[in-house]
Amino acid sequence: KAGVTQTPRYLIKTRGQQVTLSCSPISGHRSVSWYQQTPGQGLQFLFEYFSETQRNKGNFPGRFSGRQFSNSRSEMNVSTLELGDSALYLCASSSDIRGGYTFGSGTRLTVV
Amino acid sequence: AQKITQTQPGMFVQEKEAVTLDCTYDTSDPSYGLFWYKQPSSGEMIFLIYQGSYDQQNATEGRYSLNFQKARKSANLVISASQLGDSAMYFCAMREGDGLTFGKGTHLIIQP
Repeated sequence: KAGVTQTPRYLIKTRGQQVTLSCSPISGHRSVSWYQQTPGQGLQFLFEYFSETQRNKGNFPGRFSGRQFSNSRSEMNVSTLELGDSALYLCASSSDIRGGYTFGSGTRLTVV
Repeated sequence: AQKITQTQPGMFVQEKEAVTLDCTYDTSDPSYGLFWYKQPSSGEMIFLIYQGSYDQQNATEGRYSLNFQKARKSANLVISASQLGDSAMYFCAMREGDGLTFGKGTHLIIQP
């Protein structure tokens, strides 16, 4: 059974640009959530999608957005990148039953 | 107030000893789930163990067990017979609705 796949693994962008990260969940999982991990703030919840609907959103500016497609794959977009957006972005999928979330390997974004 | 508190930023433990990683949580929701994840230096979050708020017994998964004390809002992870490969960051997390709230983590180093 394939795990959660995140692409790309590494990304370098310039301030002011925008970026799109992709997450393919485990087959059959309909819930996808996104997290930002930085040394200073730790792991922070960005948003969660279920059946193409955003169910919850963390405390992040509107520059951070996401969506989920009918095949449960999800993308997150960050516009007008800032240096502080440099982080490891983790995606997790869930079948919405006991056992919780399975994480992908993450996308490491560096903004220069 | 922090929802998840991990009071041990770092721990050094001798190989083969048992380890207890502390976690306290704060919620007024009667239905919640508690998770422990391991994050090696590669960055991937590895699910270790889950405890539901209505579970009567402490969860166990191989060498991992969760010491769940609901009245104290405590969910400590116990690793029996530690191994060198257990060296990593360990995160306690809680799910109240959608998404996970993480603690700051404990950096565990197993010494030979």
